[in-house]
Amino acid sequence: EIVLTQSPGTLSLSPGERATLSCRASQSVTSSWLVWYQQKPGQAPRLLIYGASSRATGIPDRFSGSGSGTDFTLTISRLEPEDFAMYYCQQYDTSSYTYTFGQGTKLELK
Amino acid sequence: QVQLVQSGAEVKKPGASVKVSCKASGYTFTSYNLHWVRQAPGQGLEWMGIIFHTAGNTDYAERFRGRVTITRDPSTSTVYMELSSLRSEDTAIYYCAREPPVAYYFDNWGQGTLVTVSS
Repeated sequence: EIVLTQSPGTLSLSPGERATLSCRASQSVTSSWLVWYQQKPGQAPRLLIYGASSRATGIPDRFSGSGSGTDFTLTISRLEPEDFAMYYCQQYDTSSYTYTFGQGTKLELK
Repeated sequence: QVQLVQSGAEVKKPGASVKVSCKASGYTFTSYNLHWVRQAPGQGLEWMGIIFHTAGNTDYAERFRGRVTITRDPSTSTVYMELSSLRSEDTAIYYCAREPPVAYYFDNWGQGTLVTVSS
């Protein structure tokens, strides 16, 4: 089973700064099936990025995704106050037919 | 617009079962797979299982096999998740989530249902 490890666990930044979040897979992942979600307290997750780099409907262009193989990155170019939240990566494992999530990165206000 | 509306919070005793519903609207119910994902307090997201849009067959994460059953009623566009032999570690928010065709991700989520297991 593929394990996704996100880093850092917590990222402390200020509005206007650039955020770089990492998601590393224990084995190579098909880029088409690597996605990112944002979750705010008390809310369900929201799809941000699918196919490693495509923004979901309504997602601002300050959010971007990149990567391939085992290393993927979510970048927020200029943080807005509403961006401080938890972020999760997720992939589909074709060998075990399961969907797995990373443990999450908390983006907090510095 | 797409909506997934889940049933309300539940409190159950250890050993009991719980059945959570998820009513879909705003799209063709039988054209999308539906999943269940849970989140223990302060923890991350955990995939539980899927019900396929075509024939309504199911698949479950290995750790839940034998304890979870996902069913659907196309006449009411509702999916159900039943979890049996509950233990305190099953205390969590349970989400239903929609998967676009051949996408392997979740584009719409229910609001979540808190299930508390306590004696």
